[in-house]
Amino acid sequence: KNEVEQSPQNLTAQEGEFITINCSYSVGISALHWLQQHPGGGIVSLFMLSSGKKKHGRLIATINIQEKHSSLHITASHPRDSAVYICAVKGSTGNQFYFGTGTSLTVIP
Amino acid sequence: DGGITQSPKYLFRKEGQNVTLSCEQNLNHDAMYWYRQDPGQGLRLIYYSQIVNDFQKGDIAEGYSVSREKKESFPLTVTSAQKNPTAFYLCASRIGMRNTEAFFGQGTRLTVV
Repeated sequence: KNEVEQSPQNLTAQEGEFITINCSYSVGISALHWLQQHPGGGIVSLFMLSSGKKKHGRLIATINIQEKHSSLHITASHPRDSAVYICAVKGSTGNQFYFGTGTSLTVIP
Repeated sequence: DGGITQSPKYLFRKEGQNVTLSCEQNLNHDAMYWYRQDPGQGLRLIYYSQIVNDFQKGDIAEGYSVSREKKESFPLTVTSAQKNPTAFYLCASRIGMRNTEAFFGQGTRLTVV
């Protein structure tokens, strides 16, 4: 069983829709990251969270430590948001990061 | 600006050749990591280094080698012993064991033909 589970695996939305991607994890963590991977493969770090909520432009990330759950929201989605979104956690013990398998988002004009 | 740089973004090699992927950071981070991504799978740990001149195997180290001669640099060599080298490779760094902030490189897509 993967330490980090994301849902959905694939998501198609119409331009302008509000999008939510979920991440659940089973290990104790010190931080959670949301990464964006573009079709060409390049990775961009979107957020690092250890509690609460962060907002950057149309992107909002939240984390609930007690429930071991994080969500990434995209408001007013746009075709340029089409990418794979990856949730990664840093375990509170040891030296490992654990990664979800990613959510592939396609936003249709 | 401080950051972590992987180069090149795309790399092509012939089967049987060793190839070295570069990862450089100017963040003064102690810990550096290499991950591999295959289609439909999460990123898996190849090697990590917590300090200069020290590195540890991750989950899938076979067929790979690393060095950490300088704090800023953690190159990964994909050797001819790696049976399926075509993949996306990601480098990451972190200040140290007690710090949570991490940075990720853009990644290198290696294709072996």
